[in-house]
Amino acid sequence: KQEVTQIPAALSVPEGENLVLNCSFTDSAIYNLQWFRQDPGKGLTSLLLIQSSQREQTSGRLNASLDKSSGRSTLYIAASQPGDSATYLCAVNDYKLSFGAGTTVTVRA
Amino acid sequence: ETGVTQTPRHLVMGMTNKKSLKCEQHLGHNAMYWYKQSAKKPLELMFVYSLEERVENNSVPSRFSPECPNSSHLFLHLHTLQPEDSALYLCASSQDRTGGGNAEAFFGQGTRLTVV
Repeated sequence: KQEVTQIPAALSVPEGENLVLNCSFTDSAIYNLQWFRQDPGKGLTSLLLIQSSQREQTSGRLNASLDKSSGRSTLYIAASQPGDSATYLCAVNDYKLSFGAGTTVTVRA
Repeated sequence: ETGVTQTPRHLVMGMTNKKSLKCEQHLGHNAMYWYKQSAKKPLELMFVYSLEERVENNSVPSRFSPECPNSSHLFLHLHTLQPEDSALYLCASSQDRTGGGNAEAFFGQGTRLTVV
């Protein structure tokens, strides 16, 4: 059974600092990995999708890397802003999406 | 607007009530999913429909009954729920999973369910 772990569980940084969010998974036989953002009480917004054959994916200030062999992905958010405050979820697709518990980020103005 | 719409956004129901959650996707996808998100727990996959056929049921109690009348609509019928069923219920869609599972999943805004 796929187990997905996200570290840290919570993170608080001053505005402008870069964010590094970690995701690890136990079974490397995956199709892709997806990073989501969730605001309190809301649904999930897809941020980045990395296919299993890719090493990284970028969108604006966001960059996600994938090391499938070691079962790790990292989401980098450059020059954080208060609007980046949310919970970030990692989901691994091995024919179904398995989610981590998320990292709750607070960016202080 | 994510292309996946859930109604209602909030629902309070008694333990003897019957209610339904609705999900509609406008993305042309043919796989749809129900997830449960309880406080302090990871999302739990409940049901998967692919090409309008239920392909996965993750040991969900029978008081939850899904229905997928076509590839754009998904329902979750609720009957005699328990207080511990209170949670955020999320619907998602993607392209057909049999295509190798490379498709990106899109989620709705969820229905906040409270069972009293």
